Amino acid sequence: KAGVTQTPRYLIKTRGQQVTLSCSPISGHRSVSWYQQTPGQGLQFLFEYFSETQRNKGNFPGRFSGRQFSNSRSEMNVSTLELGDSALYLCASSQPNSGSWSYEQYFGPGTRLTVT
Amino acid sequence: GDSVTQMEGPVTLSEEAFLTINCTYTATGYPSLFWYVQYPGEGLQLLLKATKADDKGSNKGFEATYRKETTSFHLEKGSVQVSDSAVYFCALILISGGSYIPTFGRGTSLIVHP
Repeated sequence: KAGVTQTPRYLIKTRGQQVTLSCSPISGHRSVSWYQQTPGQGLQFLFEYFSETQRNKGNFPGRFSGRQFSNSRSEMNVSTLELGDSALYLCASSQPNSGSWSYEQYFGPGTRLTVT
Repeated sequence: GDSVTQMEGPVTLSEEAFLTINCTYTATGYPSLFWYVQYPGEGLQLLLKATKADDKGSNKGFEATYRKETTSFHLEKGSVQVSDSAVYFCALILISGGSYIPTFGRGTSLIVHP
């Protein structure tokens, strides 16, 4: 099975711009989660989508948004970029089973966003 | 809120040494616990997991036991290799009414010298 893929792998943007990142989950996985990883804050949960609906949300401002398509692919959008948005953005997919509460996640390699 | 505390790194060891990376958590319910590993330039990979008290997760020589009484999930390996050099993350997921927020520790860097 192919793993989680993220595009692009690297991105440089200017303050005030917006950016869209893409994530393709493992085939058959319906849950996609997004994380922001920075040296200062570590790994922080942004949101999770399941069957095209946002099911869980972390503590990030409304500039961070996402969506999920019918094929489970997901996009994350950040508007009005700030210098502090520079980070590695990781996507993870999972396929929760009703009989298992493990919720193990499979991560992509990430998109490195640099805001100048 | 829920939180995960890991020992700060870097942890520097010689090959074949014994490894322990401490992880403690606070949670309002009964979370599932995970260890993930991140190699340079890559995303996180699931290393092992435990879903209830006294469960032992194991994989590739690594082990961790879910200790509810001490709210801990320490990672151990009897003999580390240079290829184990990476950043290790302890995480918990608490599920409540179909909703969950994953919580990760800050990560512990492991450096293994030949």
